[in-house]
Amino acid sequence: DTGVSQDPRHKITKRGQNVTFRCDPISEHNRLYWYRQTLGQGPEFLTYFQNEAQLEKSRLLSDRFSAERPKGSFSTLEIQRTEQGDSAMYLCASSYGTGSRDTQYFGPGTRLTVL
Amino acid sequence: GQQLNQSPQSMFIQEGEDVSMNCTSSSIFNTWLWYKQDPGEGPVLLIALYKAGELTSNGRLTAQFGITRKDSFLNISASIPSDVGIYFCAGSNAGGTSYGKLTFGQGTILTVHP
Repeated sequence: DTGVSQDPRHKITKRGQNVTFRCDPISEHNRLYWYRQTLGQGPEFLTYFQNEAQLEKSRLLSDRFSAERPKGSFSTLEIQRTEQGDSAMYLCASSYGTGSRDTQYFGPGTRLTVL
Repeated sequence: GQQLNQSPQSMFIQEGEDVSMNCTSSSIFNTWLWYKQDPGEGPVLLIALYKAGELTSNGRLTAQFGITRKDSFLNISASIPSDVGIYFCAGSNAGGTSYGKLTFGQGTILTVHP
């Protein structure tokens, strides 16, 4: 059973650069979520995909952030013109949601450090 | 925004002791989940609860979905060193307009002394 995978695991970039992260969900999971986690806090919701449709975005997702899930399988999260405040762990989760049952499984995360 | 209050913030226990932590919310949820996170890794699902009053076990772990739908607790019996980590509760209202978006607590840091 292959779990959720994320790439890269770590990314160090300079302020102002663009970065892109990839998430491969568990096969056949129709729902995909992105969360952001800063040190000492629980993850915070960023955005949600049902198949290829992006159905909800948090106010945390500024216009510098964009996410896609082009074929309803893998997803990418891009941050343009990175700022030091973007430094965090970016987590992806997937689920096979049916009705009120939506058990999310997380990937290992991508740790972003903006210098 | 909606927040979950998780307590205690940290626990230092001896190996073999039982542990209890809980989570409360100002709003109701229809799903409660408990995760464990090791440093530098993503959260790992421990227990999922879908029904008010539900009591579910997973090995030495037991969790309950509060009857008011505003709280949940997690118990760990006979702790062992590998139980060390950060435990998070999370609630969602999957099936409604918020889909399965999870709201997390602040976490409980568990340290187990051999």
